[in-house]
Amino acid sequence: GAGVSQTPSNKVTEKGKYVELRCDPISGHTALYWYRQSLGQGPEFLIYFQGTGAADDSGLPNDRFFAVRPEGSVSTLKIQRTERGDSAVYLCASSLIAGSPLHFGNGTRLTVT
Amino acid sequence: RKEVEQDPGPFNVPEGATVAFNCTYSNSASQSFFWYRQDCRKEPKLLMSVYSSGNEDGRFTAQLNRASQYISLLIRDSKLSDSATYLCVVNAPLFTSGTYKYIFGTGTRLKVLA
Repeated sequence: GAGVSQTPSNKVTEKGKYVELRCDPISGHTALYWYRQSLGQGPEFLIYFQGTGAADDSGLPNDRFFAVRPEGSVSTLKIQRTERGDSAVYLCASSLIAGSPLHFGNGTRLTVT
Repeated sequence: RKEVEQDPGPFNVPEGATVAFNCTYSNSASQSFFWYRQDCRKEPKLLMSVYSSGNEDGRFTAQLNRASQYISLLIRDSKLSDSATYLCVVNAPLFTSGTYKYIFGTGTRLKVLA
């Protein structure tokens, strides 16, 4: 069956621009997570959705970051006024229920120039 | 203290060797534990869940020690294809929100040499 799908796979943008990253989880997975990974580091938690609602957004670094999951499936991570420090791989993962293993998408490599 | 800690390595071992990694966690209320494998420029992939009684999958054995708050991964008869970064993941409660979140270690790099 289809795994977690993330688009685009690569995104290059200029400092100050707005970007949207999309995640399509495994069908039937109620829990969806966004992580950010920099070189040589483990994935860093950003936000967790249970269904349509953000159950925990404590990892969002500041108010330039926002994520939605309006129908409980596809999620979009939105970054306003991008900064060079936002450059990283943004990973989306889903799980059948909270506590079961995470399944990751291929990630979106964001480069802010 | 970090919530989940791993030795970053690298561990350079010859083919056929046995190698073990440990991962410590700080939250004693943590509920579930996993090992993931991540290849260069790829996403993490689940290697195995870690059960309280310990579990084995082929050449891989995972153990959980709740008293000392660590998990371990043992790889026997290492293959060249085992070269990767191994990430420890802990599912820990967030008392402020009543939810749980998955916390990753920084990963341990393994290089198996011919």
